[in-house]
Amino acid sequence: DTGVSQNPRHKITKRGQNVTFRCDPISEHNRLYWYRQTLGQGPEFLTYFQNEAQLEKSRLLSDRFSAERPKGSFSTLEIQRTEQGDSAMYLCASSLPDRGSPLHFGNGTRLTVT
Amino acid sequence: SQQGEEDPQALSIQEGENATMNCSYKTSINNLQWYRQNSGRGLVHLILIRSNEREKHSGRLRVTLDTSKKSSSLLITASRAADTASYFCATAQGYSSASKIIFGSGTRLSIRP
Repeated sequence: DTGVSQNPRHKITKRGQNVTFRCDPISEHNRLYWYRQTLGQGPEFLTYFQNEAQLEKSRLLSDRFSAERPKGSFSTLEIQRTEQGDSAMYLCASSLPDRGSPLHFGNGTRLTVT
Repeated sequence: SQQGEEDPQALSIQEGENATMNCSYKTSINNLQWYRQNSGRGLVHLILIRSNEREKHSGRLRVTLDTSKKSSSLLITASRAADTASYFCATAQGYSSASKIIFGSGTRLSIRP
């Protein structure tokens, strides 16, 4: 069990640029979640997948955000035309599909938009 | 959107004392989980309690669940400096196997040596 891996660890970008983050889940986990967290707040749900199928996307997520999970393995989260309000920690988690299965989190990608 | 709200938002206690954190949620749940987060890191799962359970123990952790009040509490006994972290409750909304996991706003716990 190598854990959930997220890359990059930190990303600084200028407003208007596109950024892409990658998450590699635990290999036998077919469920994958993306969350956004700002300072002092809890993780905010963005989207989640079961295998390659995207089950739900938060209504709070604008069209500038898109996530994919080709072949049901790693996932990418892309933010187009970044805004300063996008600055946050982006967390990925994976789990087995059972209702009681705990989420295993990566250490996140911290995005700073200047 | 946040499903749960933790109370208090911040808690500072002396090492050795017990720490109690509360969580309230809004919709029906299948289970409730508690997670811990150290600064700058991802969350770590602590304990899960199912909707048909009222109390659960794991080491120094004790979790209660009151589905009639839509609330849960996490008790950490004999606190240690290493318990300093943020603690979050999380719920799986509804009873579908595809339920998403929603987190509360968290309690920041500080243990004074």
